[in-house]
Amino acid sequence: EIVLTQSPGTLSLSPGERATLSCRASQSVSSSYLAWYQQKPGQAPRLLIYGASSRATGIPDRFSGSGSGTDFTLTISRLEPEDFAVYYCQQYGSSQYTFGQGTKLEIK
Amino acid sequence: EVQLVESGGGLVQPGGSLRLSCAASGFTVSSNYMSWVRQAPGKGLEWVSVIYSGGSTYYADSVKGRFTISRDNSKNTLYLQMNSLRAEDTAVYYCARSEKLVGATTYYFDYWGQGTLVTVSS
Repeated sequence: EIVLTQSPGTLSLSPGERATLSCRASQSVSSSYLAWYQQKPGQAPRLLIYGASSRATGIPDRFSGSGSGTDFTLTISRLEPEDFAVYYCQQYGSSQYTFGQGTKLEIK
Repeated sequence: EVQLVESGGGLVQPGGSLRLSCAASGFTVSSNYMSWVRQAPGKGLEWVSVIYSGGSTYYADSVKGRFTISRDNSKNTLYLQMNSLRAEDTAVYYCARSEKLVGATTYYFDYWGQGTLVTVSS
């Protein structure tokens, strides 16, 4: 089973700043099978990025994804107040899906 | 408009059973890959099970042998039969879609339901 490790666990930033979230896999992951989600309290997760770098429908262009192999990154270029939430990466392989443990993005 | 609506959650004793339902609208369940994902209180997301469009099913090791995923094509509904429930199965359970496109399948979750809470406690 591929394990995804996200860092940092908590990221404290101010609106307008740039956020960089990391997702590291225990073994190589196909970029096609790497996605990112945003979850706010009391809500279901929302798909942000799929295929490591493609934005989902309706996602603002301040969100971008990059990476390959075992290292992937979600970048939020300029934080808006509504971006403070928990972010998860997710991968698929061998008929199994796994999520990272999440990064909480909080207001500084 | 794509919608997923879960139901069937509640309080159940350890060792008991529960069946969750996920009613879909705006697309055909049997033509896509459908999963259950759960989230224990205050914890992260955990994938539970998937049913492929062809009918193949797969499970996380934590639920294998206890949970069964299925669908009713006539009702366009996904199910999760949960047996031998344990305290650690307490979570919000979400159903989610992975769209099967012409010539390709996606392996991310583009639509989610609102979730249904399962509490396993005596």
